[in-house]
Amino acid sequence: KQEVTQIPAALSVPEGENLVLNCSFTDSAIYNLQWFRQDPGKGLTSLLLIQSSQREQTSGRLNASLDKSSGRSTLYIAASQPGDSATYLCAVRDDYKLSFGAGTTVTVRA
Amino acid sequence: NAGVTQTPKFQVLKTGQSMTLQCAQDMNHEYMSWYRQDPGMGLRLIHYSVGAGITDQGEVPNGYNVSRSTTEDFPLRLLSAAPSQTSVYFCASSLGGMSNEKLFFGSGTQLSVL
Repeated sequence: KQEVTQIPAALSVPEGENLVLNCSFTDSAIYNLQWFRQDPGKGLTSLLLIQSSQREQTSGRLNASLDKSSGRSTLYIAASQPGDSATYLCAVRDDYKLSFGAGTTVTVRA
Repeated sequence: NAGVTQTPKFQVLKTGQSMTLQCAQDMNHEYMSWYRQDPGMGLRLIHYSVGAGITDQGEVPNGYNVSRSTTEDFPLRLLSAAPSQTSVYFCASSLGGMSNEKLFFGSGTQLSVL
């Protein structure tokens, strides 16, 4: 059974600092890994998707890397802003099933 | 531009009652799924469907039934609600099962079972 872990559970940084969020998974036989953002009381929004054959994906200030052999992914958010405050979840896809981490709740202080 | 629509947004049930959570998507997605989100546990897959007439169990299927009679709709049925089913439920869909397809989520249904 795939286990996905996100550390830390919560993170508070001053505005402008770079954010580094970690995700680890136990079974490297994955189809892809996705990073999601969830705002309080809302659904999840997909930020980045990395296919199993890729090493990283970038979108604006966001960059996600994938090391399948070691079972790790990292989400980097450059020059954080208060609007980046949210919970970030990673999920790995095995066939048709996604396994989620519990998320990292980020607070960016103005 | 509706995307994935879930109804209702909030529901309170008594133990033993039944109800159906509705999910509809207008993107012609083949893959649809239901998750529950509990504090500190992330999202867990309940059931999923890879197309009309095809459903399968996820990680936590007990107490829930699904059917997929059309591509657009994927309702989740609770036959006899229990307090352990108090949770936030999310429906999600994607175009198919390919590795490069993002998952789109509805805004969720907050369910309380008393």
